[in-house]
Amino acid sequence: ETGVTQSPTHLIKTRGQQVTLRCSSQSGHNTVSWYQQALGQGPQFIFQYYREEENGRGNFPPRFSGLQFPNYSSELNVNALELDDSALYLCASSPAPSYSLYNEQFFGPGTRLTVL
Amino acid sequence: AQTVTQSQPEMSVQEAETVTLSCTYDTSESDYYLFWYKQPPSRQMILVIRQEAYKQQNATENRFSVNFQKAAKSFSLKISDSQLGDAAMYFCAYRSENGQNFVFGPGTRLSVLP
Repeated sequence: ETGVTQSPTHLIKTRGQQVTLRCSSQSGHNTVSWYQQALGQGPQFIFQYYREEENGRGNFPPRFSGLQFPNYSSELNVNALELDDSALYLCASSPAPSYSLYNEQFFGPGTRLTVL
Repeated sequence: AQTVTQSQPEMSVQEAETVTLSCTYDTSESDYYLFWYKQPPSRQMILVIRQEAYKQQNATENRFSVNFQKAAKSFSLKISDSQLGDAAMYFCAYRSENGQNFVFGPGTRLSVLP
């Protein structure tokens, strides 16, 4: 167990809807990253937050957005859902800034999103 | 942009034997970090081992070791004395020095045969 939790475990939405996924980091972890893992593939980096500010982003459109809160929780929001958004969404928290040598990521179990 | 390639979609090994998983990457950066992660059926990604690119010495963690060849951009994982609990998806990952880009390979599914 990494101490990182995600909710919900599973979620079913229809195309065009909006979804919010939640992550609770370990206490003291001020960096959180989100990943999309399509079935049978490796995780793809969506973005990263450090002290409530986005400080890195992968190749994802603006309809993927996030928030990080002072209580070590964070959200991933996806607007205008598309069928290809169906995937496992992972969050990972770290006790150190992204540029730190010791930026080891601790992953949550993920949220399985299905878009119909 | 950095890329990570794992050319073995599936591998199998007998219990107690040794197996090597391959990983190659492409980058123009000189300093970066490389990782091997394990993802069992429970889905929770677990860090197996990491290597700083500026270190020539290969990292070792108990039964897990790497062969890091910086010039060849190769980063293979060796698992010695394989155990049934080692069965999982293994992902090779690259992290840029500034930590703002993290790239995973497509993974290798490892089966351990009793």
